[in-house]
Amino acid sequence: GAGVSQSPSNKVTEKGKDVELRCDPISGHTALYWYRQSLGQGLEFLIYFQGNSAPDKSGLPSDRFSAERTGGSVSTLTIQRTQQEDSAVYLCASSTTPATNYGYTFGSGTRLTVV
Amino acid sequence: QQQVKQSPQSLIVQKGGISIINCAYENTAFDYFPWYQQFPGKGPALLIAIRPDVSEKKEGRFTISFNKSAKQFSLHIMDSQPGDSATYFCAASSNTGNQFYFGTGTSLTVIP
Repeated sequence: GAGVSQSPSNKVTEKGKDVELRCDPISGHTALYWYRQSLGQGLEFLIYFQGNSAPDKSGLPSDRFSAERTGGSVSTLTIQRTQQEDSAVYLCASSTTPATNYGYTFGSGTRLTVV
Repeated sequence: QQQVKQSPQSLIVQKGGISIINCAYENTAFDYFPWYQQFPGKGPALLIAIRPDVSEKKEGRFTISFNKSAKQFSLHIMDSQPGDSATYFCAASSNTGNQFYFGTGTSLTVIP
């Protein structure tokens, strides 16, 4: 597609439920990132996928968070047993190369609210 | 620990004025410094970026000033317009890392 697509755009879930957030990167982009944006905060790195390499999971805040990327394209971020502190906007980004030298393209995000 | 410190948190500027947002970093391994612009309900979009081999980069009304010795960089928006009202994030990265480190953002409001 023309841009990074994320779904759903909004998600309200009850505390303790599992949620899945989806990211469809720009076609041909080999690098994919997940960030979390909390109210009034900057962007917090969660996980990075590059091609077929093992992902960099160093930013995942707890073992309730996991992500996968199938076929080098679509990625799913899963949060198990959601907590209220998980409420945030989850942003996905992609790039053609490891983007730490060139910047990347973000999606519009999924706003997650845990009630 | 915040790798990139950004100020001010919010800024109000009259139309036609100059908006200035400042960022500071500690890690001397950082070698790429982008600024992102974010409108409500949208993801951040790359606005302008600089590398430490130059002290200034200008694109239209947007200028980055970079002070390597002070480990500071700033965004200047000349002739600010109401359409510039958005949240601005500075960031930094190194070519040996896998992520950008973002500042906490500045909410800019340009008053007509």
